[in-house]
Amino acid sequence: EVQMLESGGGLVQPGGSLRLSCAVSEFSFSSYAMAWVRQAPGKGLEWVSAINDAGNNTYYATSVKGRFTISRDNSKNTVSLQMNSLRAEDTAVYYCAKGIVAAGNSPLAHWGQGILVTVSS
Amino acid sequence: DIVMTQSPLSLSVTPGEPASISCKSNQSLLHTNAFNYLDWYLQKPGQSPQLLIYLASHRASGVPDRFSGGGSGTDFTLKISRVVPEDVGVYYCMQTVQIPLTFGGGTKVDIK
Repeated sequence: EVQMLESGGGLVQPGGSLRLSCAVSEFSFSSYAMAWVRQAPGKGLEWVSAINDAGNNTYYATSVKGRFTISRDNSKNTVSLQMNSLRAEDTAVYYCAKGIVAAGNSPLAHWGQGILVTVSS
Repeated sequence: DIVMTQSPLSLSVTPGEPASISCKSNQSLLHTNAFNYLDWYLQKPGQSPQLLIYLASHRASGVPDRFSGGGSGTDFTLKISRVVPEDVGVYYCMQTVQIPLTFGGGTKVDIK
């Protein structure tokens, strides 16, 4: 079974930065797209960003474009989300998710347990 | 951005009875390859989301066959043929035909 473990969350001040990481126990990690999806407290799901299998195509939600950067290291089976210029509205549980195909718009079949990011002064 | 609208917002179902959730998009999700780029997810209470249906009608691995997806273009439906208590949670549709990908607002299903 695929195991996914997010790390790097926590409390950060508005305007600050945070880097989330997700380690994936998957032999064929480099064959699948990866994504980040977030959920603000008591709210629905919001797709944030995705990256294709090779890491050469990245995609972002309008709300985070220019502030967040997704990347992956296929040699370490990890995907990261660098979050800059954080705002209160970025407060959410962030889920790392693994696709079922290589393309960035892949359905997401495996999800981490989620990690909380709180942006507050 | 494509806007996804789900209805109803909530649904209370008697065990053994069917349930149906609608998802509408303001742009067609039908790709030139003839697939509809619409996925369905279930988030059970206190859990991470799980994939139920992809490309509008394909059940994900391990998903019971009481779940089925249908529709095309801008109108889609998730059907549960006979609801069981473990089906409670919030159901989300998500379009993947255009970046940015977008979710519907969710439909909460509980048991009567």
